[in-house]
Amino acid sequence: GNSVTQMEGPVTLSEEAFLTINCTYTATGYPSLFWYVQYPGEGLQLLLKATKADDKGSNKGFEATYRKETTSFHLEKGSVQVSDSAVYFCALRGGAGGFKTIFGAGTRLFVKA
Amino acid sequence: EAQVTQNPRYLITVTGKKLTVTCSQNMNHEYMSWYRQDPGLGLRQIYYSMNVEVTDKGDVPEGYKVSRKEKRNFPLILESPSPNQTSLYFCASSPPGQPRSGYTFGSGTRLTVV
Repeated sequence: GNSVTQMEGPVTLSEEAFLTINCTYTATGYPSLFWYVQYPGEGLQLLLKATKADDKGSNKGFEATYRKETTSFHLEKGSVQVSDSAVYFCALRGGAGGFKTIFGAGTRLFVKA
Repeated sequence: EAQVTQNPRYLITVTGKKLTVTCSQNMNHEYMSWYRQDPGLGLRQIYYSMNVEVTDKGDVPEGYKVSRKEKRNFPLILESPSPNQTSLYFCASSPPGQPRSGYTFGSGTRLTVV
């Protein structure tokens, strides 16, 4: 079945550092890929998405490219801020899985001033 | 403002006392779903609904019930809560007929069963 694997955290960075959170997936068909962010005490928010191979999703300085050849959707940001501290979830939906969304385990990011 | 509203945000209850967590969305979304979030286990789907009167089990449905009598509302019912249902619960919705769409999540309900 479909699955999502993302790097374990926590990830601790200094402000203005470069961020990469790795995400790989296993799926049949052509799913859409998502990154969600969960700030402390809040629900998940959709951060960005990509619906087909080679699409790049971007939002708030974050980017991720749908790489079918490597089945990856890594999240990147060139310069993190303290306010980016949160838990980040990679997810997939669609393809042979239909409407079901499969979430990764989440990666906690701490950004130090 | 487009949103998913869950109530209550926090709830402490005793074993066996029936409770309902409400979920309402104002975006005319057809698809709605309940998840629980537990440390080390991530997000697990409890139930989902494709439309009014259409519901189905997710990955961890035991001990839960849902109903979908109106498009906007999707309550989660625990008929006889047990301590292993202590968790953080999220309701989510997405637009009709669009597996390419992401979810809009509620703010969560932290449930403690003692």
